[in-house]
Amino acid sequence: NAGVMQNPRHLVRRRGQEARLRCSPMKGHSHVYWYRQLPEEGLKFMVYLQKENIIDESGMPKERFSAEFPKEGPSILRIQQVVRGDSAAYFCASSPRGGHTDTQYFGPGTRLTVL
Amino acid sequence: GENVEQHPSTLSVQEGDSAVIKCTYSDSASNYFPWYKQELGKGPQLIIDIRSNVGEKKDQRIAVTLNKTAKHFSLHITETQPEDSAVYFCAAGHNSGGSNYKLTFGKGTLLTVNP
Repeated sequence: NAGVMQNPRHLVRRRGQEARLRCSPMKGHSHVYWYRQLPEEGLKFMVYLQKENIIDESGMPKERFSAEFPKEGPSILRIQQVVRGDSAAYFCASSPRGGHTDTQYFGPGTRLTVL
Repeated sequence: GENVEQHPSTLSVQEGDSAVIKCTYSDSASNYFPWYKQELGKGPQLIIDIRSNVGEKKDQRIAVTLNKTAKHFSLHITETQPEDSAVYFCAAGHNSGGSNYKLTFGKGTLLTVNP
């Protein structure tokens, strides 16, 4: 059973470009969570999605960031017009059912560097 | 919102010794407390978790204790081995609308096990 897959593993963008981060949850999981990790910091919650629904995006910056989890295909975290402060590791996690009974399993992360 | 404090930030032990990492949380409604191990360049890996209906849980060399009254929980690793060296994160399930999906993480503890 493959784990959570994320790609690319490393992404370099220049200021003003767009970054697209992809996450494929574990087989049988329909709940996806995105977290951001700054250097030497813990992970910060960004958004929680189910198929075709955003459940909670309270941790997402109000501008330039968006997320989706379509009926088919991976979840996408999109960052428009990137700035240097967006440089971080972005982790996706998935769980089978969501809610307080579920364990979240993390992917290997995408390390975004903005030049 | 929830706030999780983790101590110490670094911990160095000799192989075979025990290691203890402590966390406190602020939201009394939190009832799910996972611990993750993160190796360099990888995503967090769940090693053990505890829910608020129990005070202690053990899995081989790893144990977690929870004191809901004092709002703190601890990770205990016995008979440490060099491969235990990693960054360890505690987290608390943040109760938002009845769901604990929004994990709040501590800042991590860098554990080094010296051979």
